[in-house]
Amino acid sequence: RKEVEQDPGPFNVPEGATVAFNCTYSNSASQSFFWYRQDCRKEPKLLMSVYSSGNEDGRFTAQLNRASQYISLLIRDSKLSDSATYLCVVGYNFNKFYFGSGTKLNVKP
Amino acid sequence: GAVVSQHPSWVICKSGTSVKIECRSLDFQATTMFWYRQFPKQSLMLMATSNEGSKATYEQGVEKDKFLINHASLTLSTLTVTSAHPEDSSFYICSASTAHTGELFFGEGSRLTVL
Repeated sequence: RKEVEQDPGPFNVPEGATVAFNCTYSNSASQSFFWYRQDCRKEPKLLMSVYSSGNEDGRFTAQLNRASQYISLLIRDSKLSDSATYLCVVGYNFNKFYFGSGTKLNVKP
Repeated sequence: GAVVSQHPSWVICKSGTSVKIECRSLDFQATTMFWYRQFPKQSLMLMATSNEGSKATYEQGVEKDKFLINHASLTLSTLTVTSAHPEDSSFYICSASTAHTGELFFGEGSRLTVL
């Protein structure tokens, strides 16, 4: 079983749509949770950390459910520029990180 | 914020030669750095975890004699692809974490093409 699992997609949505990604993790002792965005042929860049209480940054909302061991990312009012691959990353002990395979999002005009 | 710099950003070499890629943490000390490889349209694959002052820990299936990792200081880790072959052509990315926030910061990546 993989440490972190994500639906690879692709998710094809129209501009303005709301889209949600989920990511499940297997290690209940995981300590840190992140969503990264990776554009084609570029390195991943931190989109947002995920906190236990949930957090929001503009159109993006991240949530953590420790009981069910999943994290989610909600994107509202999708823009063309949101098209990318979204990586779920789960950390343990600051020196061990597990990646999901990434979920590809295509926002269409 | 923390920045990780990688060099070179792209390199083309002949088959059989060795290529060194550098990864530097610019404004923080990184006791641990990570090296990944990513083939087109595939996800990141962790190759090894580089620990300052000690041997790197390689993931299963990654040849340690082919991918030499040196982490001689708290701000620099190097990956050397020895006797490179066309199948080694890939996007190599490093990252480092800060103990302060636990976030991972990525280098810009190095695109290797072996002819």
